Amino acid sequence: AQKVTQAQTEISVVEKEDVTLDCVYETRDTTYYLFWYKQPPSGELVFLIRRNSFDEQNEISGRYSWNFQKSTSSFNFTITASQVVDSAVYFCALSPYTGGFKTIFGAGTRLFVKA
Amino acid sequence: EAQVTQNPRYLITVTGKKLTVTCSQNMNHEYMSWYRQDPGLGLRQIYYSMNVEVTDKGDVPEGYKVSRKEKRNFPLILESPSPNQTSLYFCASSSTVTGGFGANVLTFGAGSRLTVL
Repeated sequence: AQKVTQAQTEISVVEKEDVTLDCVYETRDTTYYLFWYKQPPSGELVFLIRRNSFDEQNEISGRYSWNFQKSTSSFNFTITASQVVDSAVYFCALSPYTGGFKTIFGAGTRLFVKA
Repeated sequence: EAQVTQNPRYLITVTGKKLTVTCSQNMNHEYMSWYRQDPGLGLRQIYYSMNVEVTDKGDVPEGYKVSRKEKRNFPLILESPSPNQTSLYFCASSSTVTGGFGANVLTFGAGSRLTVL
């Protein structure tokens, strides 16, 4: 069975602090995708990143970085020098590599960034 | 603009009054899905469709119906809504080309907030 666990329900930081959002997953598939989506206060869901299970290179995009570790089944998301605009709910998700029929989401982590 | 459009955005209804939430995408995506979002539970899949006339149950299908008569449309039907179906609903679509650019990346609609009294 597939499962995504985001143990942090809410995180509160002060602007310019670094923050890491944890994601741990379970799957029996040998190939799969991992994702992060952002849901700002306005409510829409925005795609941030997709990672293939066979590519464990970490990725950096501006202030965002992602650490994928297959050995610990984790796909953590770090925001460097956080800003108020980063305040949102962040969802980690998992899907099979072929088809993607069953994308499973974690419960989400609500991030508050205070000025 | 590539998008998923769902309507209505907000709806208050009463128990037992049938309603339909429409969903339409303009990206020629094969895959479409409905999710409901509830506090502390994340997004849970209700139904999905791999293509026209092909639908299947997700994790929480009870009380819902769907149809996929055209590739672009995937309406969600609540035949007899109950208060436990009060939730925020999202329609999503994606390409299913294995390994392709954008494969499995979900594009979401803006959400439909449904309240059943």
